[in-house]
Amino acid sequence: DAKTTQPPSMDCAEGRAANLPCNHSTISGNEYVYWYRQIHSQGPQYIIHGLKNNETNEMASLIITEDRKSSTLILPHATLRDTAVYYCIVRSLYNFNKFYFGSGTKLNVKP
Amino acid sequence: DSGVTQTPKHLITATGQRVTLRCSPRSGDLSVYWYQQSLDQGLQFLIQYYNGEERAKGNILERFSAQQFPDLHSELNLSSLELGDSALYFCASSVRKAGASTDTQYFGPGTRLTVL
Repeated sequence: DAKTTQPPSMDCAEGRAANLPCNHSTISGNEYVYWYRQIHSQGPQYIIHGLKNNETNEMASLIITEDRKSSTLILPHATLRDTAVYYCIVRSLYNFNKFYFGSGTKLNVKP
Repeated sequence: DSGVTQTPKHLITATGQRVTLRCSPRSGDLSVYWYQQSLDQGLQFLIQYYNGEERAKGNILERFSAQQFPDLHSELNLSSLELGDSALYFCASSVRKAGASTDTQYFGPGTRLTVL
């Protein structure tokens, strides 16, 4: 599976949009981009995933560049409860088994 | 609440001992995954079971073993425990829906193991 690169930390003001970038320059055509977050030491929480097209759900939006080498997770109106480590994961269609969790981005939402 | 349950929540034991962690997947999920998260290592995939059979292995030590039972719950057995085995252990479950090209893993709340 392709590896990902994320900034170690980011700050965001409460109520503003949080834009979390992820580089996955070695992604191949059959690999999905997944986003999870982990609040403190709780179990990772699924946020969203996509293959080529932009995706939106009740939690967030996922914007994937046309060449698929990078993506951005957008939390439209960040709250203090969104403070967490956010993981961008690339996963092969043909290797369902493993999620490689990198170091993630620690998002600090500030009042 | 992901629907995945794990017991116990906390476990404190001594070096050399053996413990069993339990995971109940979401209703209908056939796959169960185990992960270890220690302070300096991040989340590491250990092993996956699908409908009772081992499907994939990650960085799982020989002292560790797992199994998935007919009712689909899973147990992770850790033996000859060492101080370095202290970590959070997470279970995740998933199901690949008919016609879908991928699946999503949902994680339980974890078991915190402390080895003294």
